[in-house]
Amino acid sequence: DIVMTQSPDSLAVSLGERATINCTSSESVLYTSKNKNYLAWYQQKSGQTPKLLFSWASTRESGVPDRFSASGSGTDFTLTINGLQAEDVAVYYCQQYYAIPFTFGGGTKMEIK
Amino acid sequence: EVKLVESGGGLVQPGGSLRLSCVASGFTFSTFDMTWVRQAPGKGLEWVSSISSSGVSTSFADSVKGRVTISRDNSRMSLDLQMDSLRVEDTAVYFCARYGSGGWYGAFDHWGQGILVIVSS
Repeated sequence: DIVMTQSPDSLAVSLGERATINCTSSESVLYTSKNKNYLAWYQQKSGQTPKLLFSWASTRESGVPDRFSASGSGTDFTLTINGLQAEDVAVYYCQQYYAIPFTFGGGTKMEIK
Repeated sequence: EVKLVESGGGLVQPGGSLRLSCVASGFTFSTFDMTWVRQAPGKGLEWVSSISSSGVSTSFADSVKGRVTISRDNSRMSLDLQMDSLRVEDTAVYFCARYGSGGWYGAFDHWGQGILVIVSS
């Protein structure tokens, strides 16, 4: 199974500042013939259902604010929030869909400092 | 608007069975692969099972393989998860979700609100 490791486990950032979450996969999730990374990012607010933020490592979903960005390739990926807002408090998960079983990172809890 | 509504959860004893259902609306259900993901209390997300748009292809996590059956009825726009030989560790909120544009190897772009399954004596 591909193991997804997120860091840090939790993160406290001041309003308006930048927050960065890292995700590492135990093997590459880059499908080289298609030049696509099979990696998604989700946001889950307290008591709510997960929401897809990015697919293919960096393709922002419709309606996701542009203060959110995602990057990376192969085994190393990053989710960045530029200018943290109060409504961004949530747990963020990365997920690989390169191989079955599809696996999620353990989550990063984002809080306001 | 895409909507996914789960039902069928509840309290069941270890070794028992439960059938979860998910009714879809707002999209052409028969053209989308679907999946179940669960979340144990206070824990992260765990993929459980997926089914292709036609229902021909299925896949399961090792943790549920042999105990769980996934099925769909495209005429009723519904997705089911039959869970047998339930264990305490199956206690979780179960989410029904839709695959996005990537199909079988793609992200899950819409999720239901989830349904709680508690396995306890």
